Amino acid sequence: AQSVTQLDSQVPVFEEAPVELRCNYSSSVSVYLFWYVQYPNQGLQLLLKYLSGSTLVKGINGFEAEFNKSQTSFHLRKPSVHISDTAEYFCAVTGTGFQKLVFGTGTRLLVSP
Amino acid sequence: DAGVIQSPRHEVTEMGQEVTLRCKPISGHDYLFWYRQTMMRGLELLIYFNNNVPIDDSGMPEDRFSAKMPNASFSTLKIQPSEPRDSAVYFCASSLASGSLGTGELFFGEGSRLTVL
Repeated sequence: AQSVTQLDSQVPVFEEAPVELRCNYSSSVSVYLFWYVQYPNQGLQLLLKYLSGSTLVKGINGFEAEFNKSQTSFHLRKPSVHISDTAEYFCAVTGTGFQKLVFGTGTRLLVSP
Repeated sequence: DAGVIQSPRHEVTEMGQEVTLRCKPISGHDYLFWYRQTMMRGLELLIYFNNNVPIDDSGMPEDRFSAKMPNASFSTLKIQPSEPRDSAVYFCASSLASGSLGTGELFFGEGSRLTVL
């Protein structure tokens, strides 16, 4: 079985500053990793995913994440955030032999002027 | 292609009433999931189906909750009788997880916001 830990429940940051949202996972098998974003009063939408290949993956809205197998991490980064990035971000993992997608508890990103 | 479609978007009902939430997954997807989201408990997986068959319903809170998937294009989540603590946003999601194109990526609907008075 897989599990995901998002240590930061909330990350406040100023506009145009860089941000990193942390995600660590646990699994005994190879994994697929995902970051989802949820804007207020909306469903979750995919930000980016790691399936295989390059460990640095780029997503929508200027976000990127790096898969680090030795540290079992998949941290999300953006070099310069905007007010519109204020949202909740969820990290998720599944085994490549498909089991259900396991979500972290989410990190609320608060961008202020 | 249309995304996952959920109805109703908002439902307000009184305690004891029956509630039915509906979901139309993306055509061709072989997995369907029902999640519940609350401030206190976050995102909880209630049940999921593979090819219309329930695979894991261990997240269903109690017998008042039931879910069906009579065909590949429709699923329902029913609460009978409803209670105030059932107030939450209920999400349906679908994915293509089998075969060479399967990745397990979930596509979510907009959610159904349920308020039980």
